[in-house]
Amino acid sequence: GDSVTQMEGPVTLSEEAFLTINCTYTATGYPSLFWYVQYPGEGLQLLLKATKADDKGSNKGFEATYRKETTSFHLEKGSVQVSDSAVYFCARARNQGGKLIFGQGTELSVKP
Amino acid sequence: EAGVTQFPSHSVIEKGQTVTLRCDPISGHDNLYWYRRVMGKEIKFLLHFVKESKQDESGMPNNRFLAERTGGTYSTLKVQPAELEDSGVYFCASSRTSGVLDTQYFGPGTRLTVL
Repeated sequence: GDSVTQMEGPVTLSEEAFLTINCTYTATGYPSLFWYVQYPGEGLQLLLKATKADDKGSNKGFEATYRKETTSFHLEKGSVQVSDSAVYFCARARNQGGKLIFGQGTELSVKP
Repeated sequence: EAGVTQFPSHSVIEKGQTVTLRCDPISGHDNLYWYRRVMGKEIKFLLHFVKESKQDESGMPNNRFLAERTGGTYSTLKVQPAELEDSGVYFCASSRTSGVLDTQYFGPGTRLTVL
C-alpha cells in the first residue's frame, strides 16, 4: 500500500550546518508531496509542497524536489539555525485526495 | 482568520475511563480529518468528514472510538473505554476541499495519556 519512509532521528547539527532529511514514498501515480514541521509546543505547519514531478517546493530557506525516478522528496537547508529545531514530517497525498500518509517524523536539534 | 483549534491540549485519564476530544476547524472548511501519533511513530489517519458525513473512516482502530460532526462544524472524538495503547497525540486538520492540491491545516493536537 501507500507509504512514506523518512530517515530516523534524532538529528543533531551545529548552527550553520547543512541539513538533509531523506524521504521516499511508494509510487502509485503521482501524488502531491509535503513537508510539515512541528515546533515545540505547537501544531503541525505546512513547510512546503510539490504537486508534480521535478517541482521544487521552498520556504524559509528549506527546499525539496519531487524526484519521480527515485521516488524521493528529500528536505534540504543550506544553513540551519537554532530556531529550526523541530520535528519534520514528510507526507504524501493519495491520488484521489483526502487523507495524508505520513512518515515517522525526524527530530532535528540545532545547537549554537 | 482563526486556525484549527483543539481542546483539551492535554488529558490524563485512567484505563477504562471515557475521554472526549474536540476540534474546531477553520470556518468554511467542509473537510475535517482526525489523525493520531502514537509513541513517536508516524502520524496515522483516523477518519475524514465532509461536512457532517463520514467520507472515510478506514483508519479508526476499533469500535471504542466514535467520531461525530453534528451540523458540519466542530467535531468530537470519543474514546470509550480508553486503553493504554490509546495514548498519543491526536491531531485534527481541516481543508476547504479534499482535492490533492488543497492544503490541510492542522491544530496543535491533544496529548492523551492513559494510565
